[in-house]
This record gives sequence, C-alpha cells and structure tokens, in this order.
Amino acid sequence: GAGVSQTPSNKVTEKGKYVELRCDPISGHTALYWYRQSLGQGPEFLIYFQGTGAADDSGLPNDRFFAVRPEGSVSTLKIQRTERGDSAVYLCASSVTSGGASTQYFGPGTRLTVL
Amino acid sequence: GDSVTQMEGPVTLSEEAFLTINCTYTATGYPSLFWYVQYPGEGLQLLLKATKADDKGSNKGFEATYRKETTSFHLEKGSVQVSDSAVYFCALISGSARQLTFGSGTQLTVLP
Repeated sequence: GAGVSQTPSNKVTEKGKYVELRCDPISGHTALYWYRQSLGQGPEFLIYFQGTGAADDSGLPNDRFFAVRPEGSVSTLKIQRTERGDSAVYLCASSVTSGGASTQYFGPGTRLTVL
Repeated sequence: GDSVTQMEGPVTLSEEAFLTINCTYTATGYPSLFWYVQYPGEGLQLLLKATKADDKGSNKGFEATYRKETTSFHLEKGSVQVSDSAVYFCALISGSARQLTFGSGTQLTVLP
C-alpha cells in the first residue's frame, strides 16, 4: 500500500519568504508527527497530531513555525519569515495510534534550503 | 530530559564481519527502544524495536537487547553485507511522550 508521502521533495527559498510543506499520511493513521533533521544529526521532534488537534507542539522552535491538520489526514507545516538556519530536511511520520507500541512510518522528507 | 547517545561513526567493515553499534539512553521510566535505518536515497525505516526490559528485537539478521541495568540497546549483526551500508539511528519513546527521541546516527559502510 501507499506509504507516507511528502511534497515538495525539494524546496529552495529566499530568506524572509513563507513556505508550506505538505504531508500525506498512511490512510487510517490517526497520529501524525513532524520532525526536522539537520545534516549529520538525528531527527528532532517538532509537533504531533492526534486526529485534527495538535496534541504536543513543544518541539516547534519559535512562533514562525505552525502546522495544521484540518481534516485529520493531510498536514501542512508552515514556516514564516524563513531564516538560513531553517535549512534542513523536514520529515513527516504517521502511526496507527500514538504511543511506544505503535510504529511510526516515515516519509521521504522535504529538503528545505533557505538562501 | 530524554537523550540517546550513539557510537560515533563512520564505521567501515569488510563483508561478513561482525557488527556492533553501541547505544545508551537516559529516560524517565521504562522507554520503548528502537533502531531505525536510512538507506542511501531512502526514508527512515524501522529496523527493530523492544518495549520492555530484557526483550530482544530482531530483523534481517540484526538483533538488539533492551538492557535496563546498563540503559543500553546495542545493535549487532553476525555477518554484514554490502547491502547493509546505511545510517543507523537509535531512538526511544518514554513515559507519556508520543514522539521519538533520536541519537545522532552511525554511518556504516560495508566493503566487498
């Protein structure tokens, strides 16, 4: 079956611009997660949705970052006034339910480059 | 807070060599432990997991045992193949958290 998909695969933008990154989770998965992976590092948690609501947004670095999941399926990560330090691979994952026993399946990521 | 410390890479081995990648963790309570693998050009994939102490996770010839007393979850494989070349990440979920906490990853290269 279809896995987690993310679009675009690559995004190049200029400092100060607004970007949106999209994630399509596996059908039927109620939990959705966003992570950010910098070069040579492991992914770092940004935000987690259970259904439509953001259950934990403690990983968002500042108020320039925002994410939505209005219908409990597709999610969009929004970054305002991008900075060069935002350059990274943004990963989305989904799982059937939340919690340690439920495997998180990752998408291929969106590589964001801020010039 | 929770943290995962992995053996630093890169690690280079010859085909059929024995592999160990060390992983230790700090967490509240009793976390679930994971190894994820990232093959070149692909996304992260779950390799194996263990959800309680003394459990052994295994997959594709890889094994890791959840050791509460040493807070470790070392990854082992008896005979590596060229196709095992990838980046390996140790990770955990602890307490009421739902998100994974990852180590920094270990790059493995297996030479023929």
